[in-house]
Amino acid sequence: GAVVSQHPSWVICKSGTSVKIECRSLDFQATTMFWYRQFPKQSLMLMATSNEGSKATYEQGVEKDKFLINHASLTLSTLTVTSAHPEDSSFYICSALAGDGDTQYFGPGTRLTVL
Amino acid sequence: GNSVTQMEGPVTLSEEAFLTINCTYTATGYPSLFWYVQYPGEGLQLLLKATKADDKGSNKGFEATYRKETTSFHLEKGSVQVSDSAVYFCALSGSAGNMLTFGGGTRLMVKP
Repeated sequence: GAVVSQHPSWVICKSGTSVKIECRSLDFQATTMFWYRQFPKQSLMLMATSNEGSKATYEQGVEKDKFLINHASLTLSTLTVTSAHPEDSSFYICSALAGDGDTQYFGPGTRLTVL
Repeated sequence: GNSVTQMEGPVTLSEEAFLTINCTYTATGYPSLFWYVQYPGEGLQLLLKATKADDKGSNKGFEATYRKETTSFHLEKGSVQVSDSAVYFCALSGSAGNMLTFGGGTRLMVKP
């Protein structure tokens, strides 16, 4: 149980285009999901908290207009990187908060490369 | 604010050696503590957790005990395998919104 999927697992796009990443909780409902960014050999940096049916809460320094988050259902959150640039290239990981309200289960990550 | 400090890696061990990865934390209140493992190119997998003082989390031969008096949650395994090679993250949950605070990660390399 407690499986979280992400799609796509990797994506290459041209500078200026937008990319959407999906995060799904497959066998449980999650009112809260989180989006992280991870640079090589570094820890995870929380970007935003996604709450079903309401606006996401962004961490300081994260541009909300660039990283659009939509949590349309209890099993799906999406992150759209708008007008992507090479500096947005990174490993993006989502997590979903389990029913115990305490444990996060993580997706396998999406590697984004912007040319 | 909350913080987690892990021993820096990489930690290199021979197969069947004993493993300890130190983790200490600073937090207000009574956080839950977690160990996550990340294999190359993958997301994080929950390894074990403990929710209150003196709890011991265990999974796949790994153990960690929630020590409030020393604010520690050290990860141990009696006999590591090559397949345990990965990056291990210590984390705590207790902030508003159940956000996780991560340590910097410790890379473990196990040689045959």
